[in-house]
Amino acid sequence: AQSVTQLGSHVSVSEGALVLLRCNYSSSVPPYLFWYVQYPNQGLQLLLKYTSAATLVKGINGFEAEFKKSETSFHLTKPSAHMSDAAEYFCAVRLGGYQKVTFGTGTKLQVIP
Amino acid sequence: NAGVTQTPKFQVLKTGQSMTLQCAQDMNHEYMSWYRQDPGMGLRLIHYSVGAGITDQGEVPNGYNVSRSTTEDFPLRLLSAAPSQTSVYFCASRAGTSGYNEQFFGPGTRLTVL
Repeated sequence: AQSVTQLGSHVSVSEGALVLLRCNYSSSVPPYLFWYVQYPNQGLQLLLKYTSAATLVKGINGFEAEFKKSETSFHLTKPSAHMSDAAEYFCAVRLGGYQKVTFGTGTKLQVIP
Repeated sequence: NAGVTQTPKFQVLKTGQSMTLQCAQDMNHEYMSWYRQDPGMGLRLIHYSVGAGITDQGEVPNGYNVSRSTTEDFPLRLLSAAPSQTSVYFCASRAGTSGYNEQFFGPGTRLTVL
């Protein structure tokens, strides 16, 4: 079985500050990992995904995430927050091709001017 | 490509009514899913399909029914609506068997059951 834990349902940062959104997973086999972003009143869209080619993954809008197997983590970061980054972010894990995706409970990011 | 489309965008039902939420994708994706999103609970899988004619239950299937007669369409039926089914519903699709393939989401249907 797999599970995903996102620490902090709400995170506030100042514009220009570092963004760090935490995701830890539980899996008995190497997982497929994803971060999705949801802007208000919209569906989810892919931010980035771990493909095992590199532990540091770069995504859209300046976000990146680092896969740390020893810590079972896949934290999302961005060096400098923009107002447009205000959204809800979901970490997701899947064990295999036809396996179901499990989503975390989400972290709402607020960016303060 | 339109991607994943959902209709309606908003719906209000009375307890006991039935309805169908429509979902269609034009990307020839094999895998389609229905999720509900509730505050503080993330997305929970209702039903999914790995191809036409093949469906299976997710973690919260009670009160919902699905069928998949074509690759493109995956409707979700509420059999007898209850206030506990007030939620935002998302349909998603993805290609093939690779675990790296991401899901593409529709814009959602906001359902209120009175």
